[in-house]
Amino acid sequence: DTAVSQTPKYLVTQMGNDKSIKCEQNLGHDTMYWYKQDSKKFLKIMFSYNNKELIINETVPNRFSPKSPDKAHLNLHINSLELGDSAVYFCASARGNYGYTFGSGTRLTVV
Amino acid sequence: RKEVEQDPGPFNVPEGATVAFNCTYSNSASQSFFWYRQDCRKEPKLLMSVYSSGNEDGRFTAQLNRASQYISLLIRDSKLSDSATYLCVVNEGGGADGLTFGKGTHLIIQP
Repeated sequence: DTAVSQTPKYLVTQMGNDKSIKCEQNLGHDTMYWYKQDSKKFLKIMFSYNNKELIINETVPNRFSPKSPDKAHLNLHINSLELGDSAVYFCASARGNYGYTFGSGTRLTVV
Repeated sequence: RKEVEQDPGPFNVPEGATVAFNCTYSNSASQSFFWYRQDCRKEPKLLMSVYSSGNEDGRFTAQLNRASQYISLLIRDSKLSDSATYLCVVNEGGGADGLTFGKGTHLIIQP
């Protein structure tokens, strides 16, 4: 059983399109996150949700909209995709300060 | 959100050698500290937590100096399989605050 699963694994799309990435965790964690890893391999937090409530929005363009239908799911919708959005997006979940578990990543390429 | 600084390397080290990585963090109120390992095109995985008293896990030893805001990782008897990027990671607040990552140190173990 995959603890944190995200789909799709790869996503290639044209500029201007709208796309979604889905994430699900079966660990019973209360907090879920989206991180972005850019071409320079720098991992930065984008959003965190605790029990379906948005906690952190780290100066991410409003083209990015997270949605948490329940505490086991955190999806990321991106409108009007730009070349600079190309990156690997990691979903993660945690309980408290420890026990962070990352999904295997979604490699987004905007052409 | 404060910063975590580490030498990006790469560190090219012969098999069997001892190698040490360091990192510094800028937020003195940071609460918990970790080393993560990330293999090429994979998600980050927790290597070990770091405590002020120092802690060891097999060939790996981690140390935290809160006064100097400095974290270290020592790998003894390095193996080819230790080749990866090592990420210094800080949790600045409560669990929902997410993790702040350094840019990683790339380690290459040579036969």
